[in-house]
Amino acid sequence: GAGVSQSPSNKVTEKGKDVELRCDPISGHTALYWYRQSLGQGLEFLIYFQGNSAPDKSGLPSDRFSAERTGGSVSTLTIQRTQQEDSAVYLCASSLHSTGPANEKLFFGSGTQLSVL
Amino acid sequence: AQKITQTQPGMFVQEKEAVTLDCTYDTSDPSYGLFWYKQPSSGEMIFLIYQGSYDQQNATEGRYSLNFQKARKSANLVISASQLGDSAMYFCAMGSNAGGTSYGKLTFGQGTILTVHP
Repeated sequence: GAGVSQSPSNKVTEKGKDVELRCDPISGHTALYWYRQSLGQGLEFLIYFQGNSAPDKSGLPSDRFSAERTGGSVSTLTIQRTQQEDSAVYLCASSLHSTGPANEKLFFGSGTQLSVL
Repeated sequence: AQKITQTQPGMFVQEKEAVTLDCTYDTSDPSYGLFWYKQPSSGEMIFLIYQGSYDQQNATEGRYSLNFQKARKSANLVISASQLGDSAMYFCAMGSNAGGTSYGKLTFGQGTILTVHP
């Protein structure tokens, strides 16, 4: 597609349920990122995938959060046993990830608004 | 650790005027990149401009320019000839490749809401 695609755009779930958020990056982009945006914490890095390298999971807030990227393309962020504090907008981004930082500008999707009741 | 500070929660500007959005940063990494993103009410983050820590000249992209003062650790965004469509949230962000990580692993500021008046 032309841009980063995320689904669903909105997700309402009950506390304790698991949710899966999907991201389809721009074709040809080798790097994929997940960020979280909430009123209290602002924009936070969660996880980063680059090619076949091990992902950088340093931003995941707890072991309830996990993500995978299949075939170097689509990524799924899974939140297990959701809590009310998980309510936020989850943004996915992709980039070319060349050797220069100018090429690592991120292209973001429109996000998934997650509401945990 | 990296830190980005945006001290202006909200800014107002008259259409066609110029406006400066402030951003200061703190890092011990010798090589880093500074980015500005725009987030309209639709929610999508839009890349505006990039400045590398070793770049000698200030970056410009159309009506956007970045006033980079390395010694003062500031990277202010200047928007010239403001338009009504510029009304949005603006985020300053920093990335570095220290430790083999990615410049796309960004630390964001809290953002500035810009309102353009007709």
